[in-house]
Amino acid sequence: SAVISQKPSRDICQRGTSLTIQCQVDSQVTMMFWYRQQPGQSLTLIATANQGSEATYESGFVIDKFPISRPNLTFSTLTVSNMSPEDSSIYLCSAPNGDTEAFFGQGTRLTVV
Amino acid sequence: QKEVEQNSGPLSVPEGAIASLNCTYSDRVSQSFFWYRQYSGKSPELIMSIYSNGDKEDGRFTAQLNKASQYVSLLIRDSQPSDSATYLCAVVFTSGTYKYIFGTGTRLKVLA
Repeated sequence: SAVISQKPSRDICQRGTSLTIQCQVDSQVTMMFWYRQQPGQSLTLIATANQGSEATYESGFVIDKFPISRPNLTFSTLTVSNMSPEDSSIYLCSAPNGDTEAFFGQGTRLTVV
Repeated sequence: QKEVEQNSGPLSVPEGAIASLNCTYSDRVSQSFFWYRQYSGKSPELIMSIYSNGDKEDGRFTAQLNKASQYVSLLIRDSQPSDSATYLCAVVFTSGTYKYIFGTGTRLKVLA
């Protein structure tokens, strides 16, 4: 099983600023997923990060707002740009083990004030 | 649009009863299905995976899959208060871009 270290675990940010969330996997993985989980809601897929290519964004999410980097097979970052209070949420990174289970980071609880 | 649907609940069952959680999905070609449990403030944790039609049992948990009906369920026998959590159905969609999509989640309350 893969272990994913995600940081920061939480942050309180001023509106208009940006926050970069990092995920480090202890093994090489082809794909990593980034999710948002708003209070009381399920996980919404933001984008899929593939090493060596542009991330694939889901409907409603754009690269300018959520730029993603994937410099190698063990690391990815998600930036939440020009934040507003509506961006307050939990952000989770995940890596699937082939077609089997997905492993998750610990999550980043973001509050925008 | 790839979708995974669940009843949001809450589903309340008495301790010792069977809890039945249901999930439907939109893509006929999906082959991999998962149930996750999520406690408040925690990341999801895997309970069961199922890939073939029929039932798969693991302790108090049974997953059931019917690909023709695009339906997957989770039964929890002898429910315990510690089973109170949100249960998330996840489906791997492979037509087009590979995606791991979660359902809306069902909140389960087991009453002592």
